[in-house]
Amino acid sequence: AQSVSQHNHHVILSEAASLELGCNYSYGGTVNLFWYVQYPGQHLQLLLKYFSGDPLVKGIKGFEAEFIKSKFSFNLRKPSVQWSDTAEYFCASKGGRRALTFGSGTRLQVQP
Amino acid sequence: DVKVTQSSRYLVKRTGEKVFLECVQDMDHENMFWYRQDPGLGLRLIYFSYDVKMKEKGDIPEGYSVSREKKERFSLILESASTNQTSMYLCASRRQGALAEAFFGQGTRLTVV
Repeated sequence: AQSVSQHNHHVILSEAASLELGCNYSYGGTVNLFWYVQYPGQHLQLLLKYFSGDPLVKGIKGFEAEFIKSKFSFNLRKPSVQWSDTAEYFCASKGGRRALTFGSGTRLQVQP
Repeated sequence: DVKVTQSSRYLVKRTGEKVFLECVQDMDHENMFWYRQDPGLGLRLIYFSYDVKMKEKGDIPEGYSVSREKKERFSLILESASTNQTSMYLCASRRQGALAEAFFGQGTRLTVV
């Protein structure tokens, strides 16, 4: 079975700090990878996705992620976080089945 | 804009009750999904459907069933609610194809007392 691991459960940063959230997936075949964000009280929204090609993917709101196949990783990065980035972030993979498999999520708290 | 609408934001039900959670999407998506979201566990797939009347079990189907009589509507049924089914339930839809993203509803927070 596929699995997605997010090792950082709760991250606290000050504004302007750099962010990197870890994500590792287990599926050995062709995989599609996603990062979703859930702002307080809102529904999940797509930040970015990777299917093929350039392993560095740019998403909305200044986020990017790097696919490293040899490490089964898809880490999310942002050079300078803002208070408005406070949210929960979920990594997800789609391998051999129709549904996405999600990680356990990382709660990011940005302090002004 | 794709819209996935869940019928209730909050529900409180008693143990043993039969509970229906409804989800409607307006973009003619083939695939629809039910997840539950619990702190520290992320989103776990309960059931999904890839066509009308077609369904597949997800990772945690025990205690749940689903119904998809029309393409736009996907219902989650708790046959006999239990306290361990207290959770946030999220519905999602996506079109066919590997490139397609999933769109989520606002969620239904169910409390079973």
